[in-house]
Amino acid sequence: DGGITQSPKYLFRKEGQNVTLSCEQNLNHDAMYWYRQDPGQGLRLIYYSQIVNDFQKGDIAEGYSVSREKKESFPLTVTSAQKNPTAFYLCASSMGDRVDEQYFGPGTRLTVT
Amino acid sequence: AQKITQTQPGMFVQEKEAVTLDCTYDTSDQSYGLFWYKQPSSGEMIFLIYQGSYDEQNATEGRYSLNFQKARKSANLVISASQLGDSAMYFCAMREGPFGDYKLSFGAGTTVTVRA
Repeated sequence: DGGITQSPKYLFRKEGQNVTLSCEQNLNHDAMYWYRQDPGQGLRLIYYSQIVNDFQKGDIAEGYSVSREKKESFPLTVTSAQKNPTAFYLCASSMGDRVDEQYFGPGTRLTVT
Repeated sequence: AQKITQTQPGMFVQEKEAVTLDCTYDTSDQSYGLFWYKQPSSGEMIFLIYQGSYDEQNATEGRYSLNFQKARKSANLVISASQLGDSAMYFCAMREGPFGDYKLSFGAGTTVTVRA
């Protein structure tokens, strides 16, 4: 089955620790994205990558870092510099065609205490 | 400034009835795309429908249709014959600029609850 996997579904960390969220896709998509969603709100773009070894900051990149060493993988690191990291994180990918709809993974709910 | 505005935080609809979810957008680009996504309580985002700014016809996908009024900058989603499984949060999103600009801006969402 083609799709996007994110692991783990729930993640708990202590304040001050860095944590890396996994995102893997087997859709052969060039573009990948990371979003953050806070309760009752829409999605905000953290980082995106249009091609391997290249990525751009989104609207709320501060306190986050990413890498894109393989087409299939786009891990997100939430660093200790992120002031309010508790949120729902969604990874997505897209084909880059005319419509270019984004396909989303199931998300990771991160709780930092 | 908000690029996507969804003014209805929550709506109730009776099963088998139609419901319209409002979405207005703000852009100065001539080329843009509008999307609707569904987010069930599980959290995954599901793509529903797309409307390109140059598309002359309103988009339809099964029970979903998009009422695109370009001059008013609105892109309302109509769900016909509502089903219990339609209960979810619905997001309107916009991609600005020419093809190849991949970023989406999302609205705050509308929660739909379908009553039996």
